[in-house]
Amino acid sequence: GDSVTQMEGPVTLSEEAFLTINCTYTATGYPSLFWYVQYPGEGLQLLLKATKADDKGSNKGFEATYRKETTSFHLEKGSVQVSDSAVYFCALSSTNSGYALNFGKGTSLLVTP
Amino acid sequence: DAGVTQSPTHLIKTRGQQVTLRCSPKSGHDTVSWYQQALGQGPQFIFQYYEEEERQRGNFPDRFSGHQFPNYSSELNVNALLLGDSALYLCASSRGVGISYEQYFGPGTRLTVT
Repeated sequence: GDSVTQMEGPVTLSEEAFLTINCTYTATGYPSLFWYVQYPGEGLQLLLKATKADDKGSNKGFEATYRKETTSFHLEKGSVQVSDSAVYFCALSSTNSGYALNFGKGTSLLVTP
Repeated sequence: DAGVTQSPTHLIKTRGQQVTLRCSPKSGHDTVSWYQQALGQGPQFIFQYYEEEERQRGNFPDRFSGHQFPNYSSELNVNALLLGDSALYLCASSRGVGISYEQYFGPGTRLTVT
């Protein structure tokens, strides 16, 4: 079945550092890929998405490129801020999953001043 | 534009009891999905409702049931609560059903079973 694997956290970075959170997936067909962010005590917010190979999703300085050849969708940001501290979830949706979101376990990010 | 709303925010129940959680979708959305998020884990899909019918179901027992109303709002019911049902329950809505459709999440209901 479909699955998503994320790098384990927590990830601790200094403000203005470069961020990469790795995400790889297993799915049949051509899934859509998403990154969601969860701030403490809150629900999930959609950060960005990509629906086909080589698509780049971007939002608030975050980017991720849908790489079908490596089945990856790594999240990147050039300069993180303290306010980016949160848990980040990679997810996929496919016809195999009936359009339900299949999430990774999440990666906790802590940015220090 | 109101986003997805859920009630109640927190709930404490005893083993064996029943609970009902409620969700109102984002304006213009007609599809509601429910997810269970255990502490430190990613959300797990419970089921999805579209046109007042359960369209898709995850790997959850029949103790978990739901309903969608004509105004697209939805309820999640859990019977015979177990300690393991303690989790954050998230509702998500979308406009229609499809793999590229964006799902918007509510703040969740924190259920504690004692």
